[in-house]
Amino acid sequence: AQTVTQSQPEMSVQEAETVTLSCTYDTSESDYYLFWYKQPPSRQMILVIRQEAYKQQNATENRFSVNFQKAAKSFSLKISDSQLGDAAMYFCAYRSANNLGGGADGLTFGKGTHLIIQP
Amino acid sequence: NAGVMQNPRHLVRRRGQEARLRCSPMKGHSHVYWYRQLPEEGLKFMVYLQKENIIDESGMPKERFSAEFPKEGPSILRIQQVVRGDSAAYFCASSPGRTNTEAFFGQGTRLTVV
Repeated sequence: AQTVTQSQPEMSVQEAETVTLSCTYDTSESDYYLFWYKQPPSRQMILVIRQEAYKQQNATENRFSVNFQKAAKSFSLKISDSQLGDAAMYFCAYRSANNLGGGADGLTFGKGTHLIIQP
Repeated sequence: NAGVMQNPRHLVRRRGQEARLRCSPMKGHSHVYWYRQLPEEGLKFMVYLQKENIIDESGMPKERFSAEFPKEGPSILRIQQVVRGDSAAYFCASSPGRTNTEAFFGQGTRLTVV
């Protein structure tokens, strides 16, 4: 079974600075997808960024970018120019590319990192 | 285009009662996923349904929990004889197809068992 580990329960960053959130995962599969979700106090799960494992190029969405290291099974999220609205829980998630049941159709989440933005 | 709608947002049940959680997927989406989030934890996959079919229920507890997604109407997650340990946030997500990797989440239902 796949596992996702987020080793930083909480991170703090000054507004306008850059912060990196860590994520590692364990899988025996070669084809899969990785995601970062944001969960603000409203509880809504918002997709921040997505990476296909077969793509070597790191995904980027405006101020959000990832550092995907497939061999190291690492998938970190970098937030540039941090804003107060970025304060939230951030979850790293894995999804198999094989629709084989046994939970493969669902996302496997890490325990999350609470990001605090200092004004 | 309304997003994924879950209701109620908050539900309080006494031990032994039944809880029914509803999820209306986004328009055009026929695939629904249910997840449970315990305090201080990430979301855990419970069940994946298509209209009138349960595709993968490997994450569902064996007893007291059931899910359905009828031809008409919302998907329902039903918890019978609730216990304190069922207190959690329950999220629904929908997608247009099985191979679509992006699922859109609702705001969740927070179930409190007293």
